[in-house]
Amino acid sequence: LAKTTQPISMDSYEGQEVNITCSHNNIATNDYITWYQQFPSQGPRFIIQGYKTKVTNEVASLFIPADRKSSTLSLPRVSLSDTAVYYCLVGGSFNAGKSTFGDGTTLTVKP
Amino acid sequence: EAGVAQSPRYKIIEKRQSVAFWCNPISGHATLYWYQQILGQGPKLLIQFQNNGVVDDSQLPKDRFSAERLKGVDSTLKIQPAKLEDSAVYLCASSSVAFTDTQYFGPGTRLTVL
Repeated sequence: LAKTTQPISMDSYEGQEVNITCSHNNIATNDYITWYQQFPSQGPRFIIQGYKTKVTNEVASLFIPADRKSSTLSLPRVSLSDTAVYYCLVGGSFNAGKSTFGDGTTLTVKP
Repeated sequence: EAGVAQSPRYKIIEKRQSVAFWCNPISGHATLYWYQQILGQGPKLLIQFQNNGVVDDSQLPKDRFSAERLKGVDSTLKIQPAKLEDSAVYLCASSSVAFTDTQYFGPGTRLTVL
């Protein structure tokens, strides 16, 4: 069971790039890394997923070093609406249920 | 594509009463999850179904919690009897059977036990 460690909270200002790092030292060979975003009173929402190197989609980038023991979610030019809790989840589809959500990182974007 | 549906959205009960939550996953999704999310914490997996079979229920308090997924589609989570510490948001999620499955979450049911 891959345990993840993230900062509890981060502050940023509108227009800045935000990088949130997640440590997962005991990641297994077939584990993927998935990031979710959660707003108050809503369920978590998928942001991005990767296995190694770099993945980019329309909302974020995910950087994974060669040893895969950590990953960094990068949010370019954040806005007030990016204020949310961000979770890093490590696991593979065959044991996706074994993945464990940590307490996430609360990102606060200020004007 | 319709998302994961849950009902009710809110429920208030007295301790020792029973309560049930319903979830309808995204059409075609074989895997269904129930999570408990206590205020300020991340979601905790209670039970995972693959079609109508249980894959993981290691964190389900089986003395009071039960869940079923008849016919491999929608699911019901029940608490009987409820305790004060059961106050939380109960989230349902579903995913398709793929190597890198992504979980799609419903809006959750907020339970308050008085």
